[in-house]
Amino acid sequence: AQTVTQSQPEMSVQEAETVTLSCTYDTSESDYYLFWYKQPPSRQMILVIRQEAYKQQNATENRFSVNFQKAAKSFSLKISDSQLGDAAMYFCAYRSSNAGNMLTFGGGTRLMVKP
Amino acid sequence: GAVVSQHPSWVICKSGTSVKIECRSLDFQATTMFWYRQFPKQSLMLMATSNEGSKATYEQGVEKDKFLINHASLTLSTLTVTSAHPEDSSFYICSARDNWGLGGTDTQYFGPGTRLTVL
Repeated sequence: AQTVTQSQPEMSVQEAETVTLSCTYDTSESDYYLFWYKQPPSRQMILVIRQEAYKQQNATENRFSVNFQKAAKSFSLKISDSQLGDAAMYFCAYRSSNAGNMLTFGGGTRLMVKP
Repeated sequence: GAVVSQHPSWVICKSGTSVKIECRSLDFQATTMFWYRQFPKQSLMLMATSNEGSKATYEQGVEKDKFLINHASLTLSTLTVTSAHPEDSSFYICSARDNWGLGGTDTQYFGPGTRLTVL
């Protein structure tokens, strides 16, 4: 079974600064997908960014980018120019390419943004 | 696009009663929907995979007779918590897989969640 680990329960960043959230995973598969979801206080899960394992290029969505290291099984999220609205729980998730779209979530990282 | 709704958003019920939670994909069809449970300050735990027109697949440790799932159409899945007890109090979240959307068939869209409180 796959496991996803987020080693940072909480992180803090100053507004306008950059922060990196860590995520590692364990799998024996070569084809899979990785995601970062944001859960603000409203508790609505919002997709932040996704990465296909077969792509070597790191995904980027505006201020959000990932550092995908397939050999190391690492998938970190970098948030640039942090904004107050970025404060939320962030979950890293893994999905096998052949497991019926089931997502396996990490334990989450709570990001606080200081004004 | 790709909006998933849940109803109700919050329900309080007495112990022993049954509660039905609806999950709808509003602007896309979803062959597969998922039900998660989230305890305070914890991650999402997958309870079951709901497949349109067939039986749900439950994760290990989840009582299928306790948590009844019905996926009767391509846009609606329901979770019924039967004979609810205080330990069933939790935040329940559904997600839907967009079969043919621009986000790719591997993207799940989440509902806003339902807070269940059993007295």
